[in-house]
Amino acid sequence: EDQVTQSPEALRLQEGESSSLNCSYTVSGLRGLFWYRQDPGKGPEFLFTLYSAGEEKEKERLKATLTKKESFLHITAPKPEDSATYLCAVGLSTSGTYKYIFGTGTRLKVLA
Amino acid sequence: DSGVTQTPKHLITATGQRVTLRCSPRSGDLSVYWYQQSLDQGLQFLIQYYNGEERAKGNILERFSAQQFPDLHSELNLSSLELGDSALYFCASSVSTGPTDTQYFGPGTRLTVL
Repeated sequence: EDQVTQSPEALRLQEGESSSLNCSYTVSGLRGLFWYRQDPGKGPEFLFTLYSAGEEKEKERLKATLTKKESFLHITAPKPEDSATYLCAVGLSTSGTYKYIFGTGTRLKVLA
Repeated sequence: DSGVTQTPKHLITATGQRVTLRCSPRSGDLSVYWYQQSLDQGLQFLIQYYNGEERAKGNILERFSAQQFPDLHSELNLSSLELGDSALYFCASSVSTGPTDTQYFGPGTRLTVL
């Protein structure tokens, strides 16, 4: 069964304390891995798309990487405004059918 | 602001009732996706339409149905509502179809079933 697991479920960091969020997957037909940020009560906001192992993308304090089994979202010197839930998702294609699976997210709290 | 709009923002109704949620995609996007997000289940993919045709189906209940109209807006119909249907319902849109497309999400509709 296709599965996406994110860890940790929750993370508290001091401002400036760098860390990494993990998204591991056991799927067939991976075509893309996506990272989103979601603030409470709002829709997910797109951050990155990764397509193949070894790919990396950066945006401000965030950097996403992808291997064959997992993806990491590295947060460098976080600020309180980075507090949010970070979701990863996979887009799958098997025998011409598509599927989208989201992880349950990592709730990040950055303390000033 | 992603450019995806959803109405209404909030909906309160009773068990057994039927409701319709509406979504307008970003200008130029042909695909619309519907998701359900509840506290205990995370974001669950329901269904995707591309240019009026159903393209992918996820964990959508038989009591739920959707369609995409010629102007590309989409509606999600939920019937015989149960308490467990209370959730945030998100619509997303993308330019094309396929699992590599980036999806842009709307602000959601919060459904409360009493």
